[in-house]
Amino acid sequence: DSGVTQTPKHLITATGQRVTLRCSPRSGDLSVYWYQQSLDQGLQFLIQYYNGEERAKGNILERFSAQQFPDLHSELNLSSLELGDSALYFCASSVEGQRGNEQFFGPGTRLTVL
Amino acid sequence: AQSVTQLDSHVSVSEGTPVLLRCNYSSSYSPSLFWYVQHPNKGLQLLLKYTSAATLVKGINGFEAEFKKSETSFHLTKPSAHMSDAAEYFCVVSDPMNTGFQKLVFGTGTRLLVSP
Repeated sequence: DSGVTQTPKHLITATGQRVTLRCSPRSGDLSVYWYQQSLDQGLQFLIQYYNGEERAKGNILERFSAQQFPDLHSELNLSSLELGDSALYFCASSVEGQRGNEQFFGPGTRLTVL
Repeated sequence: AQSVTQLDSHVSVSEGTPVLLRCNYSSSYSPSLFWYVQHPNKGLQLLLKYTSAATLVKGINGFEAEFKKSETSFHLTKPSAHMSDAAEYFCVVSDPMNTGFQKLVFGTGTRLLVSP
């Protein structure tokens, strides 16, 4: 158990809908990262927050957004869902975000868009 | 940008035989490198990391990896495979961003199959 929690475990929804994925980092970790794992794209970095502020963006679609709250938990919002958004979404956390800091991953949320 | 290439998509071994999972990296400076493992329907677990200290890095569950700058490699090894080692393994490099923070860049993964 990494100490990172994600809810829900599974999510099944329809195209065009909007969902929210939730992540609670390890106690004391200030950085939260979101990754998407799909069969065709592999594991890709989406976005990072540090102590409530967005710090970096990766391959995140404009239909997706995230935020980190004062208690450091984070939410990833996915809207206007398409079939291709079906994937495993991971949250990770680290103490800070500097080079060499390992990231601890949650169990993931499996999103299925029908 | 930093990148990693995992040379094998699948590796099959027999229980009790050595494991070798190959990874080459591309980096414009001394990289931070990691190996993560993903068991079926589970999250990613850190096996080991290299951050410019000793070139031979020991990790959990008997795994180790050697950083070889001249070969730009970071291969993962284990002397004797166990059935429970069957999983997907990811070689990962940290890619610093202009914010001073890092993101992880994952290889495509190697699926390790262990037969009795």
